[in-house]
Amino acid sequence: AQKVTQAQTEISVVEKEDVTLDCVYETRDTTYYLFWYKQPPSGELVFLIRRNSFDEQNEISGRYSWNFQKSTSSFNFTITASQVVDSAVYFCALSGAGETSGSRLTFGEGTQLTVNP
Amino acid sequence: GAGVSQSPSNKVTEKGKDVELRCDPISGHTALYWYRQSLGQGLEFLIYFQGNSAPDKSGLPSDRFSAERTGGSVSTLTIQRTQQEDSAVYLCASRKRQGANSPLHFGNGTRLTVT
Repeated sequence: AQKVTQAQTEISVVEKEDVTLDCVYETRDTTYYLFWYKQPPSGELVFLIRRNSFDEQNEISGRYSWNFQKSTSSFNFTITASQVVDSAVYFCALSGAGETSGSRLTFGEGTQLTVNP
Repeated sequence: GAGVSQSPSNKVTEKGKDVELRCDPISGHTALYWYRQSLGQGLEFLIYFQGNSAPDKSGLPSDRFSAERTGGSVSTLTIQRTQQEDSAVYLCASRKRQGANSPLHFGNGTRLTVT
């Protein structure tokens, strides 16, 4: 069975602060894929990043960065110099590579990030 | 189309009535998914289609829920004899192929309210 845990239900920061959203996952697959999605107040889910289990290189995209650590089964997401527009619910998700486990994304419960001016 | 399109965007219905929710995936996307998001909750998988067939419908909460997909494109999620606990946002997503590394592209959802 696959599981994604986002222990932080809500985070509130002041603009320009850095913030890290935690994600811990469980899977029996040796090959798997991790994702982050953003859900702003308007409701649509926006794909942010995909990471393969065999590539542990961290990734940076502008103010966003992702830290994938297989040893701790974590895939954390950091926003540097946060902005009010970053306020949203962020979901971490996992997909296995098997016929069954790869057929769907398993989502965490989400972290509500509020960035105050 | 440019994105996943869902209709209606909002639906209010009385308890006991049937509802149909529609999803039009991105053109060329063979895999289609239905998820449900209850207030303040994460995403709950309902069913997935590859083409017109549904290899995994294990997430459907009861036999009041059914879904079909025709022509490898549009999908309809039907809820019969709606109950108040069915109130949620129903999200549809598609992806280019069934491959696990392909991200899902979501529609804006249908907000269902059962009174």
